[in-house]
Amino acid sequence: AQTVTQSQPEMSVQEAETVTLSCTYDTSESDYYLFWYKQPPSRQMILVIRQEAYKQQNATENRFSVNFQKAAKSFSLKISDSQLGDAAMYFCAYRTYSGAGSYQLTFGKGTKLSVIP
Amino acid sequence: GAGVSQSPSNKVTEKGKDVELRCDPISGHTALYWYRQSLGQGLEFLIYFQGNSAPDKSGLPSDRFSAERTGGSVSTLTIQRTQQEDSAVYLCASSLRSKVAEQFFGPGTRLTVL
Repeated sequence: AQTVTQSQPEMSVQEAETVTLSCTYDTSESDYYLFWYKQPPSRQMILVIRQEAYKQQNATENRFSVNFQKAAKSFSLKISDSQLGDAAMYFCAYRTYSGAGSYQLTFGKGTKLSVIP
Repeated sequence: GAGVSQSPSNKVTEKGKDVELRCDPISGHTALYWYRQSLGQGLEFLIYFQGNSAPDKSGLPSDRFSAERTGGSVSTLTIQRTQQEDSAVYLCASSLRSKVAEQFFGPGTRLTVL
């Protein structure tokens, strides 16, 4: 079974600074996707960034970028120029074909990010 | 267009009662997922629908949990004889049926069992 580990339950960052959230995963699959989701207090899960395992190039979305190390099974999220609105729970998630047509997500436990003004 | 909606937003019930949680997916999304988010277990997959059928129910924790989907749209998750350990946020997500499709989440239903 696939597992996703986020070793940092809580992190904090000064506004405008850069922070990196860690994620490791365990899988024997070769074809999969990795995601970072943001969950603010409203509970709405918002997709931040995604990475296809077959792509060597690291994904980037504006201030958000990932460091994908496939051999090490590591998938960290870097947030640059942190803003107050970035404060939220961040979940790392893994997705592969689970059979019966399902592409269910497996989530890490989450990292609570605080942004200090 | 409208996103995924869930109702009620919050539900408080007494132990032993039955509850129904509703999910309205994005129109045209044939795939629908239920997840449970609890303090002790994090986010866990419960059940997957493709159209009206549920080919993957592997995440349902007990036979007190059931779900259905009608018209390829609205889904209802039913918990019978609720227990305190059922207290959690229940999230619904929908997507197109595709390997690359993004799952869009609803705001969840917070269930509290007293």
